[in-house]
Amino acid sequence: KNEVEQSPQNLTAQEGEFITINCSYSVGISALHWLQQHPGGGIVSLFMLSSGKKKHGRLIATINIQEKHSSLHITASHPRDSAVYICSLHRGTGNQFYFGTGTSLTVIP
Amino acid sequence: KAGVTQTPRYLIKTRGQQVTLSCSPISGHRSVSWYQQTPGQGLQFLFEYFSETQRNKGNFPGRFSGRQFSNSRSEMNVSTLELGDSALYLCASSLMGYNEQFFGPGTRLTVL
Repeated sequence: KNEVEQSPQNLTAQEGEFITINCSYSVGISALHWLQQHPGGGIVSLFMLSSGKKKHGRLIATINIQEKHSSLHITASHPRDSAVYICSLHRGTGNQFYFGTGTSLTVIP
Repeated sequence: KAGVTQTPRYLIKTRGQQVTLSCSPISGHRSVSWYQQTPGQGLQFLFEYFSETQRNKGNFPGRFSGRQFSNSRSEMNVSTLELGDSALYLCASSLMGYNEQFFGPGTRLTVL
């Protein structure tokens, strides 16, 4: 059983569209991270959330602790947003990280 | 501040050999975590080191080991390589382990 489920697995959007990627989890967490991985492998941490909502530029991340659900929104999507987005859970107990399988986003000009 | 660096970036080995990968964290970061990424399994946690001690370990066989030095640099070692060990190995550093993680570029290991 996977502790982290992401949807959709693949997403193709036209430039300018509003995008939502979802992450559901089944365990208690101390924080949830959204990561971005571009072709070639480099991973960048976009957000670390333990409650509420965070915004950075065109990216917005929300988390509902009671429902064990988080969303990553991209407003006015751009081809440079094309990447794999990974949801990662941090469990304070054992200080371990668990990862979703990722959402591969392609934004077409 | 310099980012997380990993060496080597690419490595080709044959079955049965062993390999050592190196990770230099961001200055001041005391926690270094290692991850394996494969197309089939995605990202998986290998282990975390904090102040030269292995603090946490994922579900990998004993062939995978690591260590951390007093300057926080970390190495991981894989012995008796198998074809299935071909993967991208990523390390990430953070101040204390539960803070934001900063990832290195990864070492791509190919086992032939």
